[in-house]
Amino acid sequence: QVTLKESGPVLVKPTETLTLTCTVSGFSLSNARMGVSWIRQPPGKALEWLAHIFSNDEKSYSTSLKSRLTISKDTSKSQVVLTMTNMDPVDTATYYCARTHSGSYIPNYYYYYMDVWGKGTTVTVSS
Amino acid sequence: DIQMTQSPSSLSASVGDRVTITCQASQDISNYLNWYQQKPGKAPKLLIYDASNLETGVPSRFSGSGSGTDFTFTISSLQPEDIATYYCQQWLTFGPGTKVDIK
Repeated sequence: QVTLKESGPVLVKPTETLTLTCTVSGFSLSNARMGVSWIRQPPGKALEWLAHIFSNDEKSYSTSLKSRLTISKDTSKSQVVLTMTNMDPVDTATYYCARTHSGSYIPNYYYYYMDVWGKGTTVTVSS
Repeated sequence: DIQMTQSPSSLSASVGDRVTITCQASQDISNYLNWYQQKPGKAPKLLIYDASNLETGVPSRFSGSGSGTDFTFTISSLQPEDIATYYCQQWLTFGPGTKVDIK
């Protein structure tokens, strides 16, 4: 059974750095064409993709948040870590990690879907 | 970046009704469009990937179609447990969501 579980602080202060860990089981972070994405959802708002990392260590970040995000993985621990610097109250959200599949059957077109999600962890940014 | 629009933003239908949600991409994305269901207080759940492939274990009343820029998600007979917000997603972008309620 594939599971993902997010962990991290419930409360952070403005300007602090947030570190979230996604611990996976039931699959390996070294599986080809498979990776982990982070997605967040502010209260009452839509989903927002943040970053991903794949088995070949390929990483990508949200254009709007790229300067604040770092994603890494420890395959031996089955963990993916996301850090977000300079936290602000607008970053208050539920943060999810999800197993992600990506590849291409057609040149210049890429499939990309998230088939298993963690339950999410709620982060509040407040002084 | 490719932009995704969804319509309607919300809808109310009766149990047994056919429900249709549309998603439009700002450019050709072939058939690489996915649909998720999110119930209140829960994580999103993948229902359909690559426009029309039903994820394992998802009831057959859910279906998807489309290619290029225009896509459709359908619930053939709305059930009370289908109350949720539905999101389309392509590459790194989610649509704004469609909230489905029972009339």
